Amino acid sequence: GAVVSQHPSRVICKSGTSVKIECRSLDFQATTMFWYRQFPKQSLMLMATSNEGSKATYEQGVEKDKFLINHASLTLSTLTVTSAHPEDSSFYICSARDLTGRETQYFGPGTRLLVL
Amino acid sequence: GQQLNQSPQSMFIQEGEDVSMNCTSSSIFNTWLWYKQEPGEGPVLLIALYKAGELTSNGRLTAQFGITRKDSFLNISASIPSDVGIYFCAGHSTSGTYKYIFGTGTRLKVLA
Repeated sequence: GAVVSQHPSRVICKSGTSVKIECRSLDFQATTMFWYRQFPKQSLMLMATSNEGSKATYEQGVEKDKFLINHASLTLSTLTVTSAHPEDSSFYICSARDLTGRETQYFGPGTRLLVL
Repeated sequence: GQQLNQSPQSMFIQEGEDVSMNCTSSSIFNTWLWYKQEPGEGPVLLIALYKAGELTSNGRLTAQFGITRKDSFLNISASIPSDVGIYFCAGHSTSGTYKYIFGTGTRLKVLA
């Protein structure tokens, strides 16, 4: 299947700092990528839809100024957690929409964020 | 956010047993995807379904797209220890904005 990478795989930062997470589709072009957040033993909760060349669409309750999304190319979307606080600690997972052949969605390996 | 109803929530089974889990929705979907997630990793796509009634296999896994387009099931035959993980269904509708809705997950544990 298609490959989606995420970097970094884990990050520890101090409260008040900003953290950038990259999501790349390695073998296909993705006009649409998604950012999810997952708490322990829970399902994936969609945060926002990242559209190449346009503004991201945020889900209700997700602060767009807190979670900045940039989708500057067909293979790269970035999520920046600004002024991170301990409650932002979570597992962040991106996915990319693959329109090659039959449409589906592939996930990255996730980024574990710990804010101290 | 919106979620699908997935059952069972968790299962403890003996190695070699068959497993069945399902997802139901109040909305009609055009696509159903089944994923497996292991601890600390992203979900891995197992099976994709695109047509009502479609039955698709991937090794010991079989999934079906319900005729009503509001449900799907996943079966695992002859389970092995490495089947352990959380299985998620995801549904997609073409109405409204494009996004997948995820089930609540089925946590599977296999006893050797």
